[in-house]
Amino acid sequence: EAGVVQSPRYKIIEKKQPVAFWCNPISGHNTLYWYLQNLGQGPELLIRYENEEAVDDSQLPKDRFSAERLKGVDSTLKIQPAELGDSAVYLCASSFRRDTEAFFGQGTRLTVV
Amino acid sequence: GENVEQHPSTLSVQEGDSAVIKCTYSDSASNYFPWYKQELGKRPQLIIDIRSNVGEKKDQRIAVTLNKTAKHFSLHITETQPEDSAVYFCAAHDSWGKLQFGAGTQVVVTP
Repeated sequence: EAGVVQSPRYKIIEKKQPVAFWCNPISGHNTLYWYLQNLGQGPELLIRYENEEAVDDSQLPKDRFSAERLKGVDSTLKIQPAELGDSAVYLCASSFRRDTEAFFGQGTRLTVV
Repeated sequence: GENVEQHPSTLSVQEGDSAVIKCTYSDSASNYFPWYKQELGKRPQLIIDIRSNVGEKKDQRIAVTLNKTAKHFSLHITETQPEDSAVYFCAAHDSWGKLQFGAGTQVVVTP
């Protein structure tokens, strides 16, 4: 069984440019998370989906970040425009339901120059 | 919302010794507490978890204890080996469904 798949693995962009990350969760997993991880720190939740509904986006900077989960499967996270401080690893995770093991993707390492 | 604090931030142990990492949480309704191991450049992976109706769980050399009254839980690694070197994160799943992580503990096992 394939795990959580994220793409791209690495992305380098200039500030003020847009960028998008894609996540394909494990089949049958209803809960999907997007986390941001800075070097040496723990993952910080950006948004959580239950099926196609964003049930917790309180920590998503909505002025520049947006996310969607079409048909309750794949998800995309977008930043427009990117800022230097957005450089980090963006992790996607999924779980069968919200209080079960969350499986992480490999992450997308974003560098904004 | 939930707040998870983790200590220590770094832990250096001799091979064969035990390592203990402690975490506290703030939401008394939190019901699920996983521990993740993250090696450099890799994804976090679950190593053990515990639910609020259990006080202790063990899997070979690792164990987790939970004290609901005090709102803290701990990871114990016995007979440490060099391959145990990594960053370990505790997490708590709060009553709102949010999975919050601690800041992590860098464990270094020296031969």
